[in-house]
Amino acid sequence: ELKVEQNPLFLSMQEGKNYTIYCNYSTTSDRLYWYRQDPGKSLESLFVLLSNGAVKQEGRLMASLDTKARLSTLHITAAVHDLSATYFCAVDDGGSQGNLIFGKGTKLSVKP
Amino acid sequence: GAGVSQTPSNKVTEKGKYVELRCDPISGHTALYWYRQSLGQGPEFLIYFQGTGAADDSGLPNDRFFAVRPEGSVSTLKIQRTERGDSAMYLCASSLIGVTGELFFGEGSRLTVL
Repeated sequence: ELKVEQNPLFLSMQEGKNYTIYCNYSTTSDRLYWYRQDPGKSLESLFVLLSNGAVKQEGRLMASLDTKARLSTLHITAAVHDLSATYFCAVDDGGSQGNLIFGKGTKLSVKP
Repeated sequence: GAGVSQTPSNKVTEKGKYVELRCDPISGHTALYWYRQSLGQGPEFLIYFQGTGAADDSGLPNDRFFAVRPEGSVSTLKIQRTERGDSAMYLCASSLIGVTGELFFGEGSRLTVL
């Protein structure tokens, strides 16, 4: 059974600082997704990582995938308050397309 | 439409009642998914439709839950004899079948069972 673990689950940062969120998963998969969720809102797709060594960047966020280590990272550079949200990684379980296994999420709070 | 649309946005019901939640996917998306998200948790897969048929319903928790997509577009998630443990956010997503598998989620229907 595929398990997805994120850490940390809670992260309080100061504006301007850098930090990394980690996503580990337990069985082989080469499709990993990062989503953002604001309180009371739905999930917004951030990154789609489809191969070993994939790296994607958008603004202050950069995501990477190492399928051999079963690890993805979401790196935050020079955090700003607008990045405060919960970030989820999700891994394709290899069965039917769209059956994603989500981590518990990392709740990020960026303080001035 | 421009995005995935879900109704109602909020539903409060009493234990034992029947509930229907509706999802209208992005136009042209053939794949439709239902997920359930409890407070403080990540979404959990319920069911996946490809066209009109349920291609994978392995996530439905029990036979009180049922979903249909009769014309291959709008889907309805039906919950019979609701229990307090059914309280959650029910998220619908749609996608194009292809290489990326990227899902586009709606705003969700928050169900509260009293």
